[in-house]
Amino acid sequence: QSALTQPPSASGFPGQSVTISCTGTSNDVGGSNYVSWYQQHPGKTPKLMIYEVSKRPSGVPDRFSGSKSGSTASLTVSGLQAEDEADYYCNSHAGRDYVVFGGGTKLTVL
Amino acid sequence: EVQLVESGGGLVQPGGSLRLSCAASGFTSSRYWIHWVRQAPGKGLEWVANINEDGSQKYYVDSVRGRFTTSRDNAKNSMYLQMNSLRGEDTAVYYCARDNFGTSGWFDPWGQGTLVTVSS
Repeated sequence: QSALTQPPSASGFPGQSVTISCTGTSNDVGGSNYVSWYQQHPGKTPKLMIYEVSKRPSGVPDRFSGSKSGSTASLTVSGLQAEDEADYYCNSHAGRDYVVFGGGTKLTVL
Repeated sequence: EVQLVESGGGLVQPGGSLRLSCAASGFTSSRYWIHWVRQAPGKGLEWVANINEDGSQKYYVDSVRGRFTTSRDNAKNSMYLQMNSLRGEDTAVYYCARDNFGTSGWFDPWGQGTLVTVSS
């Protein structure tokens, strides 16, 4: 039940693209098609941004995209906007029937 | 509106117990796994426990196994997290969340969270 590894911080200027990584093992990210990403603004509830590696829920801008290669999943935010500044968390189905989160990445829009 | 609402948080002394509730509305909760996730002050999200559709399967993070117990009452569309032998490190906002596909981690919606503070 080890946490997934995310960089503690990421940043970019408005309009740029930023990619946040989420590294696990063959027991979670590497062996699962179920990786999700969440956005959390200070004092707010986490919001689902990506599920099943690359699918976007209704209402999430197409500036947000997800992918996976081996045991590393990635969230890319294109055309950065000020409101994208938040904490981002990945999670993955792991083991038999539990879930593991990444440590979180603080995205700063410069 | 599809919604989860937690309740039951508060201040409790170390070694004490607390029972959190998670009330579902706008959907039939008995069709879904429900998870509990916590967030310590200033820290990241931590998966804590889950329970399957009929309550026959439950899994826990190592740090709470043997102290926390999940349950559900599908007739009341409600889920519960019984927390015993509480420690300072259990201080956190506790969220319940619906998993939209088994135990995939596709959590939506989340409840608003309820704060548990363990302190003397």
